[in-house]
This record gives sequence, C-alpha cells and structure tokens, in this order.
Amino acid sequence: NAGVTQTPKFQVLKTGQSMTLQCAQDMNHNSMYWYRQDPGMGLRLIYYSASEGTTDKGEVPNGYNVSRLNKREFSLRLESAAPSQTSVYFCASNGWGAYGYTFGSGTRLTVV
Amino acid sequence: QKEVEQDPGPLSVPEGAIVSLNCTYSNSAFQYFMWYRQYSRKGPELLMYTYSSGNKEDGRFTAQVDKSSKYISLFIRDSQPSDSATYLCAMSAKDTGNQFYFGTGTSLTVIP
Repeated sequence: NAGVTQTPKFQVLKTGQSMTLQCAQDMNHNSMYWYRQDPGMGLRLIYYSASEGTTDKGEVPNGYNVSRLNKREFSLRLESAAPSQTSVYFCASNGWGAYGYTFGSGTRLTVV
Repeated sequence: QKEVEQDPGPLSVPEGAIVSLNCTYSNSAFQYFMWYRQYSRKGPELLMYTYSSGNKEDGRFTAQVDKSSKYISLFIRDSQPSDSATYLCAMSAKDTGNQFYFGTGTSLTVIP
C-alpha cells in the first residue's frame, strides 16, 4: 500500500546513545516532515524538507539533525539522546494535489 | 499564545449522540483547515479538509469554518464506538507553505 513507512516502530536508548529514525514515502511527495508528539503538547514540528536538497528547522530542532537522502527518504538523527527526547515521533509527507499530510505509524522512543 | 487552541477533553458521550469538537486560532491568514483522527498508538489520518469559510459534509461528519470568529468545528452525528479516538485540528496559510499548525487534540470516547 502507498504511504509513509517509518522504522523502527519501537526503540529504547540509554542517555548519550545515538540513533537514526528512518522514513520513506512512495507517493512522489516533495515535502517531508518530522514531528514529535507528547501528552498535552500535541504535534510539534522538529524539522522539515520542503523539497529534495533543502531542510529547515521547525519549532523544536535542538538535539536533532536531519538528512533528505533523496525524494523518497528523510531521516532524523539523535546524536546524544536525552530523557527529554522520550516521545512518539511521526514522519509525514505532502505534495502538490495532496490534501493535508500523510503520516507514518510512528516510532515510540524511550530514553532511559 | 499558541497559534491553534483546542480543548483536550476528554469527552465522553453515549452512542448515537451528536458530538461537537472545536478549535480557535489566532492567525487570520489561515485558509486551509483540516481535521485528523488518531486512534490509540496509530498515526493521525486525514478526516476532513476544507478551504476558507463554510461547511463541508461527508457522511456523518460535518466540518464548519467561521473565519470571522477564527473558529472551526467538527460535528459527528450518530456517534459510534468506532469514533472513539483523538481528533486533531490543523490549519495552514499560503505564506506558511506546506507547514500545518496543529491543535493539541481532543480525546473522544463513545460509550456503547
């Protein structure tokens, strides 16, 4: 099925460890996004890529880096994980003619 | 002040009730309005999409936009237990590109 695929679905990290969250979409969308979702805070934009080759900071970029590898793939990296980064991470994509975002199923990350 | 405000609930109604979910916003440039439904441990999925003011109906769901009051609503008629989910409003403007601004979500439970 067409859509947004995120890996892994679950991850537990120790403080200070690094990891990369992967996201791929097969809808030929130009724009891709990384959000985190925390109770009472809603969805907060971390980084986005309006088109291949560009990336921009969102509302909460500190502690994260991103790479738009190609049109399909957009990865999110935590260089030195902190407990405050415990959250559910969603990747989303959007393109011309598309209504709204298409979201992935999320990555549940716990940092201990 | 957040760009988009949404009462988090929780909201609990009996099966068959009419449900009203609301969001207010501060940016008068917003002109694209969306409602997403998010089941527990899943990614948000687009439910309704409206442009500018007015009403849009899709089955048991009606979305209303009142730009003069900066207020949007989602009505669910004949609510079903399968409607139990968190509902998020989202909106964007031409000058925000493809960036959407989300409410924090309202948790709804429909009791059989």
